[in-house]
Amino acid sequence: EVLLQQSGAELVRPGSSVKISCKASGYTFTDYYMHWVKQRPEQGLVWIGRINPANGNTVYAEKFKSKATLTADKSSNTAYMQLSSLTSEDTATYFCTTGPYWGQGVMVTVSS
Amino acid sequence: DVVLTQTPPTLSATIGQSVSISCRSSQSLLHSNGNTYLNWLLQRPGQPPQLLIYLVSRLESGVPNRFSGSGSGTDFTLKISGVEAEDLGVYYCVQSTHAPNTFGAGTKLELK
Repeated sequence: EVLLQQSGAELVRPGSSVKISCKASGYTFTDYYMHWVKQRPEQGLVWIGRINPANGNTVYAEKFKSKATLTADKSSNTAYMQLSSLTSEDTATYFCTTGPYWGQGVMVTVSS
Repeated sequence: DVVLTQTPPTLSATIGQSVSISCRSSQSLLHSNGNTYLNWLLQRPGQPPQLLIYLVSRLESGVPNRFSGSGSGTDFTLKISGVEAEDLGVYYCVQSTHAPNTFGAGTKLELK
C-alpha cells in the first residue's frame, strides 16, 4: 500500500522558517516526482513545485522560488519542504503528492 | 501560466441525478508528445484531494465508473452519472502539460 506520511502541525513565528516532511512507503521513492501543494483555509489548491527524488532536480512555481526549498533523502524515502521568511500569508495546509497519492497534509500556522 | 476556468462554481444535486462540470483552459493542453495532461480531483471536507480521472478520461483505480471525463484541447468535462452521497465535496481540474501546474478554482457539489 502506497502511503505518504507527513509531519505534524506547526505553529511558527513570523519571520521564521519551517521544514516539513513527507515519508513515502509502498513504492520505489525514486520512480515518481514529489509535488507540493498549498491550500489556504477555505481556498483552492496552488502548486508550489516538484522534485525528482532520483537526482534532486527541482522546478518551482515563480511565486514560490524565494519561499520554498524542496529536497529529498533517498536513504530514508523522505521528501522535505522548507518555507522561509514566514508571514500570515503562509498560514495554510501543505500537501505532498505523487499525483495519484496524497499525504494527509500539514497545517502551518504563522502567528506571534 | 495556464488559467483553468471551472463552471459552475457551485452545483446542487439530488441523489441519483447526473451532473457535469466544465473546465476550460486558456491554452491547449495537448502536449507535444501527444498526451493531454488534464486530471480531475475530488476533495471531501477535511480530507486531502483524491485523484478521480487522469489524462482527460482514464479512470483511476478504485474510482466508481459513474465518473467519466471527456474533452480535448481547451474544453473538458467531468460527468457524474447518478450522484451518491459520498460524491459531495469540491472538484478540481488540474493541468500539468505546461509548467507550472495549475488548478481550477473548484466546483462545490452540494445536496439539494
